[in-house]
Amino acid sequence: AQSVAQPEDQVNVAEGNPLTVKCTYSVSGNPYLFWYVQYPNRGLQFLLKYITGDNLVKGSYGFEAEFNKSQTSFHLKKPSALVSDSALYFCAVRDGVGFQKLVFGTGTRLLVSP
Amino acid sequence: ETGVTQTPRHLVMGMTNKKSLKCEQHLGHNAMYWYKQSAKKPLELMFVYNFKEQTENNSVPSRFSPECPNSSHLFLHLHTLQPEDSALYLCASSQDRTDPGRLFFGEGSRLTVL
Repeated sequence: AQSVAQPEDQVNVAEGNPLTVKCTYSVSGNPYLFWYVQYPNRGLQFLLKYITGDNLVKGSYGFEAEFNKSQTSFHLKKPSALVSDSALYFCAVRDGVGFQKLVFGTGTRLLVSP
Repeated sequence: ETGVTQTPRHLVMGMTNKKSLKCEQHLGHNAMYWYKQSAKKPLELMFVYNFKEQTENNSVPSRFSPECPNSSHLFLHLHTLQPEDSALYLCASSQDRTDPGRLFFGEGSRLTVL
């Protein structure tokens, strides 16, 4: 069964600094990997995904993520954080075969200070 | 506006009440999902419907009863709930054939069981 781990409950970063939110995954086949963001009192919004191809994936709002097969990781990154990036971030994975459910991590709260 | 609408946004019910959550998607998607979000827990997949057929029931207690009358509507019927069922219930939809794993979420229904 597939699973993801987000080892940090919270990440604090100052505005303008680079940010990284960590995610590792476990899946039997080729992984489909995703990042979603949740702002207060809202549902989750899709940020980006890795299916195949380049290991560096670019997504919405200036975010990107790097797929590392040997380390089974898919860390979310942004070169320069904004206060408005403060939110809850979820990593998710599914097995690429057929119609498969998406399995989410526990989420990482990102706090960007002015 | 994600194209997925959930009602009500907030619901307070006693343990003996019967209520329903409603979800409607205007995206022409074939799959719909119910997720439960509790603090500091991974997002829990409850039910999946693909072309109106239930394809996943993730060991959900029978006090939660889903209904999918057509591809655009999904209900979650609630009865004799427990206080630990208090959570944010998220509905999502996807067009899995053309964009696998990309889910569009509603804003959620915040349920409080007294």
